[in-house]
Amino acid sequence: DAGITQSPRHKVTETGTPVTLRCHQTENHRYMYWYRQDPGHGLRLIHYSYGVKDTDKGEVSDGYSVSRSKTEDFLLTLESATSSQTSVYFCAISVGGSTYEQYFGPGTRLTVT
Amino acid sequence: AQSVTQLDSQVPVFEEAPVELRCNYSSSVSVYLFWYVQYPNQGLQLLLKYLSGSTLVKGINGFEAEFNKSQTSFHLRKPSVHISDTAEYFCAVTRQTGANNLFFGTGTRLTVIP
Repeated sequence: DAGITQSPRHKVTETGTPVTLRCHQTENHRYMYWYRQDPGHGLRLIHYSYGVKDTDKGEVSDGYSVSRSKTEDFLLTLESATSSQTSVYFCAISVGGSTYEQYFGPGTRLTVT
Repeated sequence: AQSVTQLDSQVPVFEEAPVELRCNYSSSVSVYLFWYVQYPNQGLQLLLKYLSGSTLVKGINGFEAEFNKSQTSFHLRKPSVHISDTAEYFCAVTRQTGANNLFFGTGTRLTVIP
């Protein structure tokens, strides 16, 4: 257990509304990641962070923004949710001083109607 | 960039039979390789990893994988599966230097039949 929690665990929202997902870690790891999981696509990286206020884009960043004001929290925001953003979102951290060995949170299932 | 191909989207196998889940990767640079397992309604759990050294890597729950650089493969094996191994398995790759983002395959759903 890498001490990662995600909130909410489930959310249903309407198209056009803003949504923020939260990832919280208890062990002060430097690197944090947001992925989305969709059938037939596996997991795809949305954004990642390598420190407080230091973030970068991943493979599928369009329509998403992130913020990290504290080491322990990494927020993912959908400014105006669309049906194509219906997905399961996973947060991950890297441990052991490396950026390659990642551990995942339990996920947030988001449905945009 | 790196990419991963998991050749089988679904693999049914009888309990106590052996299983192999196939993974091929593509990269112009040296890589690290991983297998993750996802049980229903849960997050991903690291099963095993290849970083360097012996090409045969042992992981949790009796799984092992073999890195084959010439064939750019990293197949996952278990000699005797249990019902509890029913899950989705993901192969992932990252480059050894520079940006270390993980690239995942599309997953293989292993179903163990009693």
